[in-house]
Amino acid sequence: AQSVTQLDSHVSVSEGTPVLLRCNYSSSYSPSLFWYVQHPNKGLQLLLKYTSAATLVKGINGFEAEFKKSETSFHLTKPSAHMSDAAEYFCVVSFPGANNLFFGTGTRLTVIP
Amino acid sequence: DAGVIQSPRHEVTEMGQEVTLRCKPISGHNSLFWYRQTMMRGLELLIYFNNNVPIDDSGMPEDRFSAKMPNASFSTLKIQPSEPRDSAVYFCASSLATTTGESEQYFGPGTRLTVT
Repeated sequence: AQSVTQLDSHVSVSEGTPVLLRCNYSSSYSPSLFWYVQHPNKGLQLLLKYTSAATLVKGINGFEAEFKKSETSFHLTKPSAHMSDAAEYFCVVSFPGANNLFFGTGTRLTVIP
Repeated sequence: DAGVIQSPRHEVTEMGQEVTLRCKPISGHNSLFWYRQTMMRGLELLIYFNNNVPIDDSGMPEDRFSAKMPNASFSTLKIQPSEPRDSAVYFCASSLATTTGESEQYFGPGTRLTVT
């Protein structure tokens, strides 16, 4: 069965400190993996995607994620949090031949001044 | 590109009324998705189309919900009759589908529906 699990429903960090949002997936196939961000009262915006090329993927706003097949993980990181990073983050997976996406339950990131 | 366009942005209606949500996908995209987001259930896929044909509507809650895509540039999601539990934010997304399943989806700003 294919699924994606976001391990933390809420993460709180201080401004200027590193961000780590965790995501694990379960798949019998080689997945494509995405991170989306949703700011309050806004739609979802693509942060970055992994599609079997480089395992370290760089996205917008200084975020990056590393695909680790041995750990079935795709954690999202940023070296230094900014107040504008406060939002909901979704880890998303798709599978070969499938056009629909499977969303994690989301992690709400709070950035403390 | 204007991105995915949804209308209206906000809709307030009374229980029992018909509600129609509209979506214009990004030009050139061949797949369109309707999602519903609530605090209780998170983000749920309702239905998606590929080349204007409904592929998977297993997420449609019940017969009160229907979706159409008469052409590549327009889709509607209709609720008739509406109920308070339908209150949610409804997102439309589009993508350029590939056989490898790598295509990301681009989301519209959503329609916030309130049924009183």
